[in-house]
Amino acid sequence: QKEVEQNSGPLSVPEGAIASLNCTYSDRGSQSFFWYRQYSGKSPELIMFIYSNGDKEDGRFTAQLNKASQYVSLLIRDSQPSDSATYLCAVRGGSNYKLTFGKGTLLTVNP
Amino acid sequence: DAGVIQSPRHEVTEMGQEVTLRCKPISGHNSLFWYRQTMMRGLELLIYFNNNVPIDDSGMPEDRFSAKMPNASFSTLKIQPSEPRDSAVYFCASSLSSGETQYFGPGTRLLVL
Repeated sequence: QKEVEQNSGPLSVPEGAIASLNCTYSDRGSQSFFWYRQYSGKSPELIMFIYSNGDKEDGRFTAQLNKASQYVSLLIRDSQPSDSATYLCAVRGGSNYKLTFGKGTLLTVNP
Repeated sequence: DAGVIQSPRHEVTEMGQEVTLRCKPISGHNSLFWYRQTMMRGLELLIYFNNNVPIDDSGMPEDRFSAKMPNASFSTLKIQPSEPRDSAVYFCASSLSSGETQYFGPGTRLLVL
C-alpha cells in the first residue's frame, strides 16, 4: 500500500513567519511531488510541483525534495492570514496519472 | 474560461436511493478523474478516464458504484443503492493529458441519511 504521510496539525504560525509543512512517502519509485492548497469547503488547487532533488522556489513558496529520505516539504515565507488552509501533499509514482494524496496539514496564520 | 463544472453541489438522500453526480471537464482536456474525500481516508482516486475510456477503476469501492463518460464533455458517477458510509465530498478533476496538472471542480457534498 503506497502511503503519503502528513502531520494533520493544526500548525499555527504568526503573520510574517515561515511556515514549514512536511510530507513523507513510502514508494521509492515515486517520480513527481505536488503541493495542493485547499481552503475550507473548497476544492484543492495546485500551488507547487517538484521532480528533482533540491529546492524549487516560486514567490513566497519553496518546495524541497529529498528522495533518499523520501521526504518532501513546503516552506511558506512571510506567511499571511490568507495562507490559512489545508495543504495536501500528493505523490505520483510510475504511472503518469495516479496521484496519492496525504490527508493534509491544517495551517493557521494568526494576524 | 470555465473550470470543471459539477452538479449538484449538495445532495441529501436517504439510504437505498440512487445518486447521480455529474461532471463537465474543461474543454480540450482528455483526462478525467473522480475522487472522494473523507476525513478518515482523505482524498482517494475512484476512477480515471482517458479519451472517454475508463483506464483505472481500481479505486471504485464496490459494485454499487459505477461511472460513465459518454462523450468528451460529460461524465457521471452513480451510486445505487446509496449507504450512509458513502457520505463524502466527491470531486471531479480534469487535465490536458494524463501527466499534466489536474484541475478540480467545486465538488459535490453528499449526505446519505
